[in-house]
Amino acid sequence: NAGVTQTPKFRILKIGQSMTLQCTQDMNHNYMYWYRQDPGMGLKLIYYSVGAGITDKGEVPNGYNVSRSTTEDFPLRLELAAPSQTSVYFCASRNLGGATEAFFGQGTRLTVV
Amino acid sequence: TQLLEQSPQFLSIQEGENLTVYCNSSSVFSSLQWYRQEPGEGPVLLVTVVTGGEVKKLKRLTFQFGDARKDSSLHITAAQPGDTGLYLCAGPNPNAGNNRKLIWGLGTSLAVNP
Repeated sequence: NAGVTQTPKFRILKIGQSMTLQCTQDMNHNYMYWYRQDPGMGLKLIYYSVGAGITDKGEVPNGYNVSRSTTEDFPLRLELAAPSQTSVYFCASRNLGGATEAFFGQGTRLTVV
Repeated sequence: TQLLEQSPQFLSIQEGENLTVYCNSSSVFSSLQWYRQEPGEGPVLLVTVVTGGEVKKLKRLTFQFGDARKDSSLHITAAQPGDTGLYLCAGPNPNAGNNRKLIWGLGTSLAVNP
């Protein structure tokens, strides 16, 4: 049982380049999330999805896009990378309900130079 | 402003000491969760508290949910180096109709020195 799988683990981008961070979960969870974590700043929600075909903005969506074509996959797209997007990105999923556990991937450490 | 305030932000102690970290809010939460995050990893759930006044124990860790469900604490007895990490509290958005999002505190970074 793999849980939440994120790729890649590390990436260096040049300013203006684009990339997609992949996230897959095998637990049939409805809710999926993308967070960024900067040192000392906790987890900031970028986008989330409550099911296939449904996505919504979080606190810091600018510069990012997402899609949710299947229950399993929730890729995050950076179109024009900027130094401000240097961060660690985490994908998470959880089941329906308020008190359900959030399962996280191992994270992607992205540096934009 | 953070909906969930955690304190202290940093804590460095010696092995064997006891400690308590706090998670406070002015809002009522239906439940609160505590996660631990180790360097280079994603957060992992430690416990979920649901009932006001609830106390849960996980080996040397004791979690309490406030009677009014606005706060929670985590007490560690005889801390060990393996307890080192970032402790995060989280709860479903208390705003009516949107518990799909989790609200996160900024965390308490704990270092337990041998």
